[in-house]
Amino acid sequence: RKEVEQDPGPFNVPEGATVAFNCTYSNSASQSFFWYRQDCRKEPKLLMSVYSSGNEDGRFTAQLNRASQYISLLIRDSKLSDSATYLCVVNPGYSSASKIIFGSGTRLSIRP
Amino acid sequence: DVKVTQSSRYLVKRTGEKVFLECVQDMDHENMFWYRQDPGLGLRLIYFSYDVKMKEKGDIPEGYSVSREKKERFSLILESASTNQTSMYLCASSYLGTGYTEAFFGQGTRLTVV
Repeated sequence: RKEVEQDPGPFNVPEGATVAFNCTYSNSASQSFFWYRQDCRKEPKLLMSVYSSGNEDGRFTAQLNRASQYISLLIRDSKLSDSATYLCVVNPGYSSASKIIFGSGTRLSIRP
Repeated sequence: DVKVTQSSRYLVKRTGEKVFLECVQDMDHENMFWYRQDPGLGLRLIYFSYDVKMKEKGDIPEGYSVSREKKERFSLILESASTNQTSMYLCASSYLGTGYTEAFFGQGTRLTVV
């Protein structure tokens, strides 16, 4: 079983729709969680951190469920510019020098 | 703005060649990382370094080595390139701290080994 698993998609949704992705992780002791966004032929960039209490940044909401070992990303009122690959990232340790683990990504395509 | 610069965007090398991929960051970050990214496999960590001359193996270090002689520079070396090392290589850097600190990535080097 992979340490971090994501549905690869692609998710193809109309503009204005709400879309949600999940990401599961296998190490129950994992410490911190993040979503990165990667545009086609570009490098990944941090989208948002995921906190235990859930957190929101504009149209984006991230949730963590430690009991079931998954994190989620919800995008409301999706825009064409949201088309990208979304990478789930898990930090298994306490240090920033831990071997952080990236999921293989979920592709999202927003159609007009 | 943080800048992580990789020496080449595209590289074509022959099987058996020694290949150097260079990465330079300008934010005085302690941590530097080398990943490769392949379709369906995501980003996989090859090596990382948290200080000059320090290195730690990642998940797939076989066939690679690294060098960190200066804080701002982290080099990935393919001792004898093989076709299965054809991939996108991404360098990243971050501050050393407790918990997680955001990783900033270079633009990537697409390496083709023929």
